[in-house]
Amino acid sequence: QQPVQSPQAVILREGEDAVINCSSSKALYSVHWYRQKHGEAPVFLMILLKGGEQKGHDKISASFNEKKQQSSLYLTASQLSYSGTYFCGTEIGYYGGSQGNLIFGKGTKLSVKP
Amino acid sequence: ETGVTQTPRHLVMGMTNKKSLKCEQHLGHNAMYWYKQSAKKPLELMFVYNFKEQTENNSVPSRFSPECPNSSHLFLHLHTLQPEDSALYLCASSQDRLAGGDEQYFGPGTRLTVT
Repeated sequence: QQPVQSPQAVILREGEDAVINCSSSKALYSVHWYRQKHGEAPVFLMILLKGGEQKGHDKISASFNEKKQQSSLYLTASQLSYSGTYFCGTEIGYYGGSQGNLIFGKGTKLSVKP
Repeated sequence: ETGVTQTPRHLVMGMTNKKSLKCEQHLGHNAMYWYKQSAKKPLELMFVYNFKEQTENNSVPSRFSPECPNSSHLFLHLHTLQPEDSALYLCASSQDRLAGGDEQYFGPGTRLTVT
C-alpha cells in the first residue's frame, strides 16, 4: 500500500527545476505533500483531492492524475531553501471517501546548491 | 512554530526503563497521531486518536502504550523497549481524523535512543 516515490534523491543548482513523482497501486482519495528539513518537523505543502486537480503556490505546484494514481510535485526556479526531504502521503479511497489514514512514501531528498 | 510541541526532544533510555513522551497541540484540533520515523524508512503511523478516542492501532507492540486525556494532549508511554525502537517519534494533529484532506501539523519530534 506504500506509495513509491521517485527519484530517491536529486541535486540541483539554484534556479533549476525538479519533478518528484508519487505513485500508488491503490485507488486514491487524496495525495498530501510535505517537506522535512534535517532535524525539523515535516511541514505541510499541499493536498490534492481526487478529480485530477492541480495546485500551486509560489514556485511549487503539484498535479494528481487519478487515472494513473500518480501525483507529481513541481519545483521551478529552485531556491536554497527548497532543500530537504519531500514526502508524499496518500489517502486510499474507500466507498467514495477516504480510509482515513495517511500512508507515506520513503521520501525524495532534494539538495539545492549555490 | 507549528503549534504542536513535543517533550523531551531527546531521550536515551535503557531497555528496562519506563519513560513517557508528551505531545501538546495548541491548534484546537480534534485528531492526534503518533508516527515513528526510522532511518531510510517511511513515516509509520502508530496510533490515531479522534476526540480522545483511539481509532487506530497499527499493530504496534504493547511496549508502546498511548494515552490521550483530552484533545490537546497525547502521551506515549514506553517500557522494556528494544534497540530497534530507536527512532524519531513524531506527533501530529489535524482538525479531524483524515476524511477528506485535512492537513496534518507535525511537532518537532523526540529523538529516542534505546541502549
